[in-house]
Amino acid sequence: DAKTTQPTSMDCAEGRAANLPCNHSTISGNEYVYWYRQIHSQGPQYIIHGLKNNETNEMASLIITEDRKSSTLILPHATLRDTAVYYCIVSPWTNTGNQFYFGTGTSLTVIP
Amino acid sequence: DTAVSQTPKYLVTQMGNDKSIKCEQNLGHDTMYWYKQDSKKFLKIMFSYNNKELIINETVPNRFSPKSPDKAHLNLHINSLELGDSAVYFCASSRARASYEQYFGPGTRLTVT
Repeated sequence: DAKTTQPTSMDCAEGRAANLPCNHSTISGNEYVYWYRQIHSQGPQYIIHGLKNNETNEMASLIITEDRKSSTLILPHATLRDTAVYYCIVSPWTNTGNQFYFGTGTSLTVIP
Repeated sequence: DTAVSQTPKYLVTQMGNDKSIKCEQNLGHDTMYWYKQDSKKFLKIMFSYNNKELIINETVPNRFSPKSPDKAHLNLHINSLELGDSAVYFCASSRARASYEQYFGPGTRLTVT
């Protein structure tokens, strides 16, 4: 079952930063935070993940609070192609296989 | 080149029929998965195979039987289809069982009438 809480929907102006929050107050010490997104009628796409340090890659930045109970995904310059449902997932790192439970996510609409 | 492909893309069938969905990945990955996305858009893992060995088997009716003939293929066979089986089924793969990045296929929309 999903262990995260996200707003149902958000809007962002094209070219501006999109900040997507996620609450995971019951996160355990061995659980990572993953972000995926699903563009309409496509399969989900990996964005970024982290444990406790902030992370950045070519797609986005991930800011995790010090107590690890919440995080924010930042898309620095949103484009129309970033319109999608964004999923925040909490899952332990195991050798037996990563079981990702996707919640309802945040539907991000980038407005021209 | 398509990384993870599924066939068919759409499948419409009647209750009680048996159907299969095929999945292939050309990424050289060791681990493959089946997910189900229902009408409320919840995406749940069903099965995971690593090098043809079943490693994750969630609470799924035994009418659903995955088969992995080799590590590049993971097929899903469904017996005695029910209305509640209507959903979008996604296949995915990852480099290894503990990989953080899973690559998803385009999905198969199954409609049971």
